[in-house]
Amino acid sequence: DQQVKQNSPSLSVQEGRISILNCDYTNSMFDYFLWYKKYPAEGPTFLISISSIKDKNEDGRFTVFLNKSAKHLSLHIVPSQPGDSAVYFCAASPGAQKLVFGQGTRLTINP
Amino acid sequence: DTEVTQTPKHLVMGMTNKKSLKCEQHMGHRAMYWYKQKAKKPPELMFVYSYEKLSINESVPSRFSPECPNSSLLNLHLHALQPEDSALYLCASSQLYLGNEKLFFGSGTQLSVL
Repeated sequence: DQQVKQNSPSLSVQEGRISILNCDYTNSMFDYFLWYKKYPAEGPTFLISISSIKDKNEDGRFTVFLNKSAKHLSLHIVPSQPGDSAVYFCAASPGAQKLVFGQGTRLTINP
Repeated sequence: DTEVTQTPKHLVMGMTNKKSLKCEQHMGHRAMYWYKQKAKKPPELMFVYSYEKLSINESVPSRFSPECPNSSLLNLHLHALQPEDSALYLCASSQLYLGNEKLFFGSGTQLSVL
């Protein structure tokens, strides 16, 4: 049973445009959500997070939106840069040091 | 210092070998984790240590044995592994308060079991 789903395995975006990565979850107990970025043969790097009491969090070029009623969150990257090409994992936590990861979306930024 | 350091980066072992993976952090984090990641799959939680005590074991086979000698170090002892255990093993750490499970990951150990 996959509690965190990223339905797009890959996404290709033109440099300078907006990248939108989506994530859906099923567990209502999740109260903290994170996005991680991963390059090959490296560990995931934390990007941005959002608590369930908020619906938006912004950090520079990265914005995460949370729609609790739809159990959906999204990551917006604007403007997209070539260095943003990586695999992006959505993760959710019900607390108690447990993080559940989605399957990941491979983002490719084209020049 | 915001790094989690893992050694070795690569490890090849036979099914009868005994080896250990090591992880170190100096951020004062009191929670440390082992995750396993197979190719093209998400990281999967194996173990969690909180205040040097094992707090979560996600039904991991006994051929994987974690150890937390102190608040900065985490080991994963490997014995009699199977080829299907080949994966990237990730260590992570975090502060210990609810509502902020922001994990810092190391670069991982790429393990191949022959």
